[in-house]
This record gives sequence, structure tokens and C-alpha cells, in this order.
Amino acid sequence: QVQLVESGGGVVQPGRSLRLSCAASGFTFSTYPMHWVRQAPGKGLEWMAVISYDGKVKYYADSAQGRFTISRDDSKNTLYLQMNSLRAEDTAIYFCARDPRRGPPDYFDYWGQGTLVTVSS
Amino acid sequence: EIVLTQSPGTLSLSPGERATLSCRPSQSVSSSYLAWYQQKPGQAPRLLIYGASSRATGIPDRFSGSGSGTDFTLTISRLEPEDFAVYYCQQYGTSPPRVTFGQGTRLEIK
Repeated sequence: QVQLVESGGGVVQPGRSLRLSCAASGFTFSTYPMHWVRQAPGKGLEWMAVISYDGKVKYYADSAQGRFTISRDDSKNTLYLQMNSLRAEDTAIYFCARDPRRGPPDYFDYWGQGTLVTVSS
Repeated sequence: EIVLTQSPGTLSLSPGERATLSCRPSQSVSSSYLAWYQQKPGQAPRLLIYGASSRATGIPDRFSGSGSGTDFTLTISRLEPEDFAVYYCQQYGTSPPRVTFGQGTRLEIK
């Protein structure tokens, strides 16, 4: 069955960096676009970034542009989110999610359980 | 950028009742790119509806989606105890390329 498992979260000081990973299994990872979505404590969902199935196209939310980088390693069936210059407002649970369609970003049919990032001094 | 406004913010109903949740985009969106999710505390969101009206795999038929343009609805025909959760609508826009979520509707037991 499809499984997405995030890792890499933790407590980090403002201004520092963190790299999140999302290990995928149960499907052919290289044929699906993948997204990162976050949720601040007690708040709603906020889309952060998408990467196309072939890694050639990436889109970012304004809040991620210039600080976050989405990437993938199909040989490891793993999605990444490199987060730099972290701020307190980046504190959230970060979910990876699969997009079932190869075209423009669409919807999310499978989600991981999320990894918590806390930005605090 | 398209803003999705969900209403009501909180809906208090009893098991067995019918729930009607609204999602209104700030400008017209394609029905092909409107989805609904359910999220329970401590869990990841779960896809319920995509393409405005297509049920995802394994979703009971008491859940249905409808609407077009600037007015979309998620209906739960007869509430079961496990349906009390937060519900989000979501759409994709092309100019600029963005995915947007509504702020959520909390469905609570009355």
C-alpha cells in the first residue's frame, strides 16, 4: 500500500536550516508529482511547494519562495524540503503528499503523517 | 490569488442529521480543480472529494460534492460519529501556479 513517511523535523534556532525528507513506498514514486503542505499549531493547511514527476518543474508558495527548495531523488524514492533562514512563523507540522495527476498541480490523494518543525531560540 | 472562504466556521449537529458545508472562491474556478479533505485531531488530512463531485477511493456514499464557479458544497447526508472533524476545501490556480486551501469548517457534535 502507499506509504509516505516524513522525517527530519525538530527544534531549530531562528536563522538556521533544516532538511526534511519524505520516504515513499508502495507506488512508482518517479511517476508522480509531490507536494509539501504545512500546518501551524491549531491552524489550517498551507501549501508550500510542488515538484513535477520528473523534477524539472517546481512551484512555491510566496512564503517559501527564496528560502525553501523542494527536490527529489527517485533512486531513493525520497522527497526533500530544504528550509533555510527559518523563522518562528515556520513552526508547523510539515506533510508530504502525492498528487495523482501528471499535469498541473491538482489534489492530494495520499498524505504522510507529518513531521514537526519548531523554530525557537 | 484566489481566496477560498468556507462557511460556517463551526457547525454543530447531531448524528443522523444532514451537514452542508460551503466553499466560495473569490473568483470562478474550474470544477476540475476543487477538492475536499477531512482532518481529525492528530491525523493527516484525508481526501474525500476531487473534481468537485468525485468521491475518492473508499469514501462512503453519504459524502457528496457539488457546485461550480464560485459556489461549492460538501454534503454529508446522515452524520456518523466518526464524521465529526475539520473539513477543508482546496483548489489549484494557474496564474500564478498556486494551491490554496480554505480556512476550514469544524463539524462538532451538538
